Amino acid sequence: AQSVTQLGSHVSVSEGALVLLRCNYSSSVPPYLFWYVQYPNQGLQLLLKYTTGATLVKGINGFEAEFKKSETSFHLTKPSAHMSDAAEYFCAVSVRGNLIFGKGTKLSVKP
Amino acid sequence: GAGVSQSPSNKVTEKGKDVELRCDPISGHTALYWYRQSLGQGLEFLIYFQGNSAPDKSGLPSDRFSAERTGGSVSTLTIQRTQQEDSAVYLCASSQGATGLPLHFGNGTRLTVT
Repeated sequence: AQSVTQLGSHVSVSEGALVLLRCNYSSSVPPYLFWYVQYPNQGLQLLLKYTTGATLVKGINGFEAEFKKSETSFHLTKPSAHMSDAAEYFCAVSVRGNLIFGKGTKLSVKP
Repeated sequence: GAGVSQSPSNKVTEKGKDVELRCDPISGHTALYWYRQSLGQGLEFLIYFQGNSAPDKSGLPSDRFSAERTGGSVSTLTIQRTQQEDSAVYLCASSQGATGLPLHFGNGTRLTVT
C-alpha cells in the first residue's frame, strides 16, 4: 500500500528565504505525486503534480518540486518566501486512483 | 457554480445521534473521495468511489461510518452513534478520471459532536 511521510509538521522561514518542504512516499508501482496547499479558512488547492515525463515540475506561485525515484522523494521548494505563502501544505500520492495524503506541513513566514 | 458542493457547512450534534453529510461532485466527474481533516492528523482518507466499481472503503475508521453514491453522482456519508472523536472537518473531492488528476475539493462540513 502507498503512504506519504512529510517531515516536519511545522516549518518557519524568514521572508525572502528558501522554502523546503520534505515529502517521501512509499509505493509498489510508479506513483503520481501531488502537492496541495490550504490557506487559512480555505479549501485545498492543487499546487503542482507529477505524473510522467520531466521530473522537475513547476506549479503556481513560484513553487516547484522534483521527483527523485532513487530517494522516493518529492520535496517542494520555492527560492524566496513571501508572507502570502503562509499556509498548510500537503503532499499526496496516487496509485490506481486512490489519493493518500501526508499529515501536512504548516509553513510560517516571518517578516 | 461548477464546484464540489457539500452540505451542511456546519453540523452540531449530540453524542449518540446519527448524522448524514452530503456531497454533490462536479458534473461528469466519475471519481469521488471522502476525507476527514482533524487537527494534527492531516487529511485522513475515508472512502473512494470510481464509476461503477466497488468502492474502496479501506479508510473507514469503524463500522459506524458508511457512504453511498447514488446514480454515480451525489454521495452521502453517514456516521451512526456519533462520538466526540468524530468531530472534524469532512471533505469531499471529485475528479474526472481514475487517476486522481486533479482532485477538486469542496469546502467541507465541520462536524462538532457535543
